[in-house]
Amino acid sequence: ITLRESGPTLVKPTQTLTLTCTFSGFSLSTSGVGVGWIRQPPGKALEWLALIYWDDDKRYSPSLKSRLTITKDTSKNQVVLTMTNMDPVDTATYYCVYRGGLNWFDSWGQGTLVTVSS
Amino acid sequence: EIVLTQSPGTLSLSPGERATLSCRASQSVNNNYLVWYQQKPGQAPRLLIYDASSRATGIPDRFSGSGSGTDFTLTISRLEPEDFAVYYCQQYGSSLLTFGPGTKVDIK
Repeated sequence: ITLRESGPTLVKPTQTLTLTCTFSGFSLSTSGVGVGWIRQPPGKALEWLALIYWDDDKRYSPSLKSRLTITKDTSKNQVVLTMTNMDPVDTATYYCVYRGGLNWFDSWGQGTLVTVSS
Repeated sequence: EIVLTQSPGTLSLSPGERATLSCRASQSVNNNYLVWYQQKPGQAPRLLIYDASSRATGIPDRFSGSGSGTDFTLTISRLEPEDFAVYYCQQYGSSLLTFGPGTKVDIK
């Protein structure tokens, strides 16, 4: 299983961030499977953002729910995360993660550092 | 929201020593649904333990997890040089997934 994040490395405050996770080694149409996003500000702890399941059920961190949208394209093996109204505090490495069983993550992408600055 | 607290913040030990890391939850974690990850500088986290005590595939048996309810422990029986890293716990007993702040294990 491999996952790879792609998207801008620099966004301006108030802009919308769109990140794409392209994966291989599994299908997001398989029962029980999910793909999520987790971020990590520099030198800080991990924070779960969102999760999308094989049946298109979606879950979001309550503190960020109003700003997040997660979608999937099963035919392309991609999951897209959008985050609106970006702020410098959103500067972080964003990881795409694979959920194969319950809500823990045994495969991670390499992460992509997104900096929010004018 | 279940808040996870990890202690100590930093653990300074020598290779060969035993490391004991704590993760405490603000409320009971359903079904002991707790995992441990290891993260080295510049790398993504790696899953070590799931369901509080089950080792993930390929994880050496010097890593063990224990605990239940609100108190969980990760033990590294004999530290190898590659074990010096930051360790995070995460609970999945509720729909809001939360992580602890991490424990750094560094070389004394």
